[in-house]
Amino acid sequence: KAGVTQTPRYLIKTRGQQVTLSCSPISGHRSVSWYQQTPGQGLQFLFEYFSETQRNKGNFPGRFSGRQFSNSRSEMNVSTLELGDSALYLCASSLEQGSGNTIYFGEGSWLTVV
Amino acid sequence: GENVEQHPSTLSVQEGDSAVIKCTYSDSASNYFPWYKQELGKRPQLIIDIRSNVGEKKDQRIAVTLNKTAKHFSLHITETQPEDSAVYFCAASRGIGNTGNQFYFGTGTSLTVIP
Repeated sequence: KAGVTQTPRYLIKTRGQQVTLSCSPISGHRSVSWYQQTPGQGLQFLFEYFSETQRNKGNFPGRFSGRQFSNSRSEMNVSTLELGDSALYLCASSLEQGSGNTIYFGEGSWLTVV
Repeated sequence: GENVEQHPSTLSVQEGDSAVIKCTYSDSASNYFPWYKQELGKRPQLIIDIRSNVGEKKDQRIAVTLNKTAKHFSLHITETQPEDSAVYFCAASRGIGNTGNQFYFGTGTSLTVIP
């Protein structure tokens, strides 16, 4: 089975711009979650989607948003980029929703805001 | 919400020695505890996990123990090898009904195995 696929892998944006990141989960997985990884803060939960519905949202400002499509693919969007948004954005998928379901990470999208 | 603390932040061991990484969690409702290994520039990969109805789990050189009463769990790596060098993250998760699959991660332990 193909793993979790994220695009683009690397990107550089300017402050004030917006960015869209894409994630294709493992085939058959219906839950997709997003995490931000930075050296200082570690892995921080952004949000989780299941069956096109956002089930959970972390403590991030409204500039961070996401969606899930009927084929379980997901996108996240960050508007009005700030320097502090520079990070590795990881997508993870799991078979089902609910506790105890292993999540599998993609390789991530490295975002640099200049 | 849940708070996961992980110690130590860095750990250096001689090849062949054992390494132990400890995590504590705050939410007694957390019931699933995976460990991830992340090599430089790569994705976090699951190496072992444990559920709250189990006290210990072992997979070759890796073992995880869970103490629900004290709300802590530990990763044990025996006979360490240079390829074990990486950052290790612990995590805790709980789900009630349809509240989803949210994980809380520790801040990571950078393990260096010295040949």
